[in-house]
Amino acid sequence: AQKITQTQPGMFVQEKEAVTLDCTYDTSDPSYGLFWYKQPSSGEMIFLIYQGSYDQQNATEGRYSLNFQKARKSANLVISASQLGDSAMYFCAMRDLTTDSWGKLQFGAGTQVVVTP
Amino acid sequence: NAGVTQTPKFQVLKTGQSMTLQCAQDMNHNSMYWYRQDPGMGLRLIYYSASEGTTDKGEVPNGYNVSRLNKREFSLRLESAAPSQTSVYFCASSEALAGEEDTQYFGPGTRLTVL
Repeated sequence: AQKITQTQPGMFVQEKEAVTLDCTYDTSDPSYGLFWYKQPSSGEMIFLIYQGSYDQQNATEGRYSLNFQKARKSANLVISASQLGDSAMYFCAMRDLTTDSWGKLQFGAGTQVVVTP
Repeated sequence: NAGVTQTPKFQVLKTGQSMTLQCAQDMNHNSMYWYRQDPGMGLRLIYYSASEGTTDKGEVPNGYNVSRLNKREFSLRLESAAPSQTSVYFCASSEALAGEEDTQYFGPGTRLTVL
């Protein structure tokens, strides 16, 4: 069963504007972690930000922040002041500790972001 | 610190040929992983090694074997390559922290084409 859903296949954003990438997840485990990765056209996977299920505050990392709404099971990534170098594919991933998926990262299908001048 | 390295970067095989993808990490991580990435999909876990001396199947293990050679190295073998194994392969490693916060760091990937 699909556990991570990213409903936006692609989006355009103008330079210096903010963009929100949606991610919803499904798990029965009360303890889980949510991760966002960036994959530029060069292909590597770059870790951006982490949010734990018990964290009281939304995670932030420079221009990246996570809008975590636990009751809605959503973990949206917000990129502020977009730059041309932010053009990439972005993946949401989850790690939970349920028996059949212990420790493994499960990825969404990704959202392609194109930043325009 | 090179992080996670993978060789080769590119490979073309004919159906039925075999090959081994190599992965090494210099972060003293306990856990290592192999994923494949196909167009329009996220990464899918093939095999993982939670710690040195152990390996387990992931979501899509058929057609692959792995070896955790030592703490640093984790290889993926295709015994008889098939066109369905055309993909980009990523190796990753993590500290194996207890609990849910255990960030995985990825290598640059190997682009494999099977004709």
